[in-house]
Amino acid sequence: AQKVTQAQTEISVVEKEDVTLDCVYETRDTTYYLFWYKQPPSGELVFLIRRNSFDEQNEISGRYSWNFQKSTSSFNFTITASQVVDSAVYFCALFDRGSTLGRLYFGRGTQLTVWP
Amino acid sequence: NAGVTQTPKFQVLKTGQSMTLQCAQDMNHEYMSWYRQDPGMGLRLIHYSVGAGITDQGEVPNGYNVSRSTTEDFPLRLLSAAPSQTSVYFCASRPNRGSNQPQHFGDGTRLSIL
Repeated sequence: AQKVTQAQTEISVVEKEDVTLDCVYETRDTTYYLFWYKQPPSGELVFLIRRNSFDEQNEISGRYSWNFQKSTSSFNFTITASQVVDSAVYFCALFDRGSTLGRLYFGRGTQLTVWP
Repeated sequence: NAGVTQTPKFQVLKTGQSMTLQCAQDMNHEYMSWYRQDPGMGLRLIHYSVGAGITDQGEVPNGYNVSRSTTEDFPLRLLSAAPSQTSVYFCASRPNRGSNQPQHFGDGTRLSIL
């Protein structure tokens, strides 16, 4: 069965601190895709990154970086030098070809608050 | 580029009322879906469609109906609203069921049932 666990419900940091959001997933499929979405206070869902199961290279985009480790079934997200604008709920999600519904499996989200 | 458009953005209903949440996409996507978001629950799939005329249930379908008469539109109907349906509803689309492309989400509809 597919499952995504985001164990951190809420995280609070002070501006300029680094913060890592954890994501652990479960799937029996060998081909799958992992996503991160950001939901700012305005409520919309913003796509951040997609990673496929065959590419374990870490990715960096500005202050954002992602660490994908198949050995631990984790896809963690790090924000370096956090800013107040990073305050949002962050969702990790899984899609695999075995899903008969074609759906994304979402974690429950991590509420990140960055204080000035 | 409109993407996925949801209307209304906010709605308050009384228990027992019916309403339709509208969703339209202009990307010619075959796969469309409805999710509901509740605090601490993430997003849960209500219904989905793999093309015009084809719909099926997700994990939390009770109390909701859908139809897909065109590729562009995928409305969600609440036949008799209940307080448990107070939630934020998101419509999403992507090219097809097997596509690994990111889902495009609408901005959401915040629904309160009194």
